[in-house]
Amino acid sequence: EAAVTQSPRNKVTVTGGNVTLSCRQTNSHNYMYWYRQDTGHGLRLIHYSYGAGNLQIGDVPDGYKATRTTQEDFFLLLELASPSQTSLYFCASSGEDAEQFFGPGTRLTVL
Amino acid sequence: AQKVTQTQTSISVVEKTTVTMDCVYETRDSSYFLFWYKQTASGEIVFLIRQDSYKKENATVGHYSLNFQKPKSSIGLIITATQIEDSAVYFCAMRGWGGRALIFGTGTTVSVSP
Repeated sequence: EAAVTQSPRNKVTVTGGNVTLSCRQTNSHNYMYWYRQDTGHGLRLIHYSYGAGNLQIGDVPDGYKATRTTQEDFFLLLELASPSQTSLYFCASSGEDAEQFFGPGTRLTVL
Repeated sequence: AQKVTQTQTSISVVEKTTVTMDCVYETRDSSYFLFWYKQTASGEIVFLIRQDSYKKENATVGHYSLNFQKPKSSIGLIITATQIEDSAVYFCAMRGWGGRALIFGTGTTVSVSP
């Protein structure tokens, strides 16, 4: 089973702040994903990647950038954080035609 | 557009009984993948079981099984012999044949009591 870790686990920032969320997977999966989870919406895909240097836009990309530096590492960047981005963020990884495995989540609060 | 709908917000059952929860989906793809995930009280999201649309046999893993009714675009999750630790939020999700993104439903909260 894929091991997916996220850091930090909790983050508080102010409106306009700069935030980077980190994700690392150690099972050589090609695909990595960033989701946000909000009450009433379930999980929604922000960005995903199928390899180092690749980035694909998800369903709710506005206000977010992402970068995949290696096969293991995928970062989510909020350059001008807004209160609407207060959420629970999950990273996931998967193989080619397989289910996704999720990290433990990062709770972000934007004041 | 693809869509996943879970209409049951919450279900309460007594330990050792069976719980069934519903999920309907919309897609134009002729082939697709369906998944169920469980989110525990700690927030952890755990993969439970999957059904590939081209397979006629319902998937079963441990005490989880699926009721796949393709003509009705329905994929129900059945948990038999429930335990207290089955208390969680259960999410249905779908992925199209050529896509990568999972489309999630809004979840069903299951409470198992002694």
